[in-house]
Amino acid sequence: QLQLQESGPGLVKPSETLSLTCTVSGGSISSGSYYWGWIRQPPGKGLEWIGNIYYSGSTYYNPSLKSRVTISLDTSKNQFSLKLSAVTAADTAVYYCARRSGGTSYRDYWGQGTLVTVSS
Amino acid sequence: QSALTQPASVSGSPGQSITISCTGSSSDVGGYNFVSWYQQHPGKAPKLMIYDVSERPSGVSNRFSGSKSGNTASLTISGLQAEDGADYYCNSYTSSSTWVFGGGTKLTVL
Repeated sequence: QLQLQESGPGLVKPSETLSLTCTVSGGSISSGSYYWGWIRQPPGKGLEWIGNIYYSGSTYYNPSLKSRVTISLDTSKNQFSLKLSAVTAADTAVYYCARRSGGTSYRDYWGQGTLVTVSS
Repeated sequence: QSALTQPASVSGSPGQSITISCTGSSSDVGGYNFVSWYQQHPGKAPKLMIYDVSERPSGVSNRFSGSKSGNTASLTISGLQAEDGADYYCNSYTSSSTWVFGGGTKLTVL
């Protein structure tokens, strides 16, 4: 059974860089045609797609966040990561990592989510 | 990219059917058959209920169905049950090779 688990600081200061890691267990992130992505949800609000990375390394980002986002793979650790720079209070949210099958909208496996608060 | 448009709330009585709409444009919902629906209970991660407009993942009740007409996708839940009460989000692929979510709909089972 595939499992995804987010990890990283729960508190980040304004203007600094938010860094999260998603550890995948029960399967390899470098096998198969999958996209590994990040979605966030501000408290009490809806879901927002941040971006994803293909197993080959190609990346796709939300245009509204593109200038501040980097998603990368670490196949040696079976992890993928999110970096969001120059954060503000508006970036406070629960951040989820998820897997989507290539060529479909089948986004079946999600992490439990991790709350990141931006505050001084 | 603009969020897809969903009604803020819908409600129904147990046993009834409800439909949640998700309106986009020809650049997203209308242009591709890559629309999915998620159910989210408070404090939980979203759960995939429908993918590729009308496909149901293994294990999801056949009371859940999806469809699309033009730029609007729909999720129908028949035989409403108390546990169906949750937030529902649609999600679509876009012409920019990105994905966009709807604003979410709160379903109340009366």
